[in-house]
Amino acid sequence: AQSVAQPEDQVNVAEGNPLTVKCTYSVSGNPYLFWYVQYPNRGLQFLLKYITGDNLVKGSYGFEAEFNKSQTSFHLKKPSALVSDSALYFCAVRDMGANYGQNFVFGPGTRLSVLP
Amino acid sequence: KAGVTQTPRYLIKTRGQQVTLSCSPISGHRSVSWYQQTPGQGLQFLFEYFSETQRNKGNFPGRFSGRQFSNSRSEMNVSTLELGDSALYLCASSLATASSYNEQFFGPGTRLTVL
Repeated sequence: AQSVAQPEDQVNVAEGNPLTVKCTYSVSGNPYLFWYVQYPNRGLQFLLKYITGDNLVKGSYGFEAEFNKSQTSFHLKKPSALVSDSALYFCAVRDMGANYGQNFVFGPGTRLSVLP
Repeated sequence: KAGVTQTPRYLIKTRGQQVTLSCSPISGHRSVSWYQQTPGQGLQFLFEYFSETQRNKGNFPGRFSGRQFSNSRSEMNVSTLELGDSALYLCASSLATASSYNEQFFGPGTRLTVL
């Protein structure tokens, strides 16, 4: 079975400070990992993905994420937060070795608030 | 390229009615997935269609069904609506092939309210 945990419901950070949104996953094989962002009354927007290769993945809007296989984590980071980054962030995983009876599993979401 | 479009954006129905939601994927995308999003349950996977065939299915009752047409457009239907079906229904398309998965691109959603 595959699962995703986002241990923090809410993250508050001051504008200009670095931000981290945490994600841990569980799969039986190798993971596809994704981050999405959702603004109010909107669908999800793709930020970045990890499939293979470098553990540090760069994505849209200055976001990056670090894949850590030993800790089964894929934390989202940004060096300097903007007020406009305030939104709901979702981590998602799919087991590369899974059969087609499984699809992406999304975490519960973390609400990021960047305070001016 | 145009993004994923969903119609209608808002719907109000009463218990016992049925509803059909429509999704047009990004041009060239053959995979279409549907999700239900509620404050309490988060994002829950309903089903995925690829080349007109249902490839994956989540744990929803048979009242929830879908289909995909030859142009990759998809519809989902919910029959005998219940109050608990009130949610944001999201459609996502991707360049997934028959043997691989890629990131999904989401539409703005259809907000369904059941009274």
